[in-house]
Amino acid sequence: ILNVEQSPQSLHVQEGDSTSFTCSFPSSNFYALHWYRWETAKSPEALFVMTLNGDEKKKGRISATLNTKEGYSYLYIKGSQPEDSATYLCASKAGDFGNEKLTFGTGTRLTIIP
Amino acid sequence: DSGVTQTPKHLITATGQRVTLRCSPRSGDLSVYWYQQSLDQGLQFLIQYYNGEERAKGNILERFSAQQFPDLHSELNLSSLELGDSALYFCASSVAGGMDEQFFGPGTRLTVL
Repeated sequence: ILNVEQSPQSLHVQEGDSTSFTCSFPSSNFYALHWYRWETAKSPEALFVMTLNGDEKKKGRISATLNTKEGYSYLYIKGSQPEDSATYLCASKAGDFGNEKLTFGTGTRLTIIP
Repeated sequence: DSGVTQTPKHLITATGQRVTLRCSPRSGDLSVYWYQQSLDQGLQFLIQYYNGEERAKGNILERFSAQQFPDLHSELNLSSLELGDSALYFCASSVAGGMDEQFFGPGTRLTVL
């Protein structure tokens, strides 16, 4: 993996269903994995920052896991609600010491169907 | 409201011109980041400043420059503008700049005609 990749690109989920999506990132020179929620016409809002292999974070109905050895993270949303409709971005912080950069994926666009 | 402010919200200018985008970080945050989002592209990291010093550099063009002032606000200068520079420019800030989450401003929409 050379870049940060997210799948799927878009997703339609029925209200009340649970869903998950994936972020893949290069595992070399890795420092941290960020998840952001980006609603239309707004700016990205931080959800989680994870650094250690096996990290799990939770905020309400949203949770995330991190596998730094194989270079992937999952974001889970339980019992989707219309307000969960947004683009979910992941970003990997990596690079040489002193020049670490945050590289964003292109996002998963989630639409919740009432 | 993230606490990060950016001005102006919108900017329309002509090719060849120079513009300055301004960002004020959240109170207490020492790091400022600049990102560019062009049509059909994800957020591209341009540059980071930490407490007045350049900390990390991304794919920032030579025509672009930035600085962070003693009061921690930052400016992004874009010169010799081209049509392809039309984009949404975000500023973000974080407490220290290590593994902290970043707080994004509302963005400046730049249109180059």
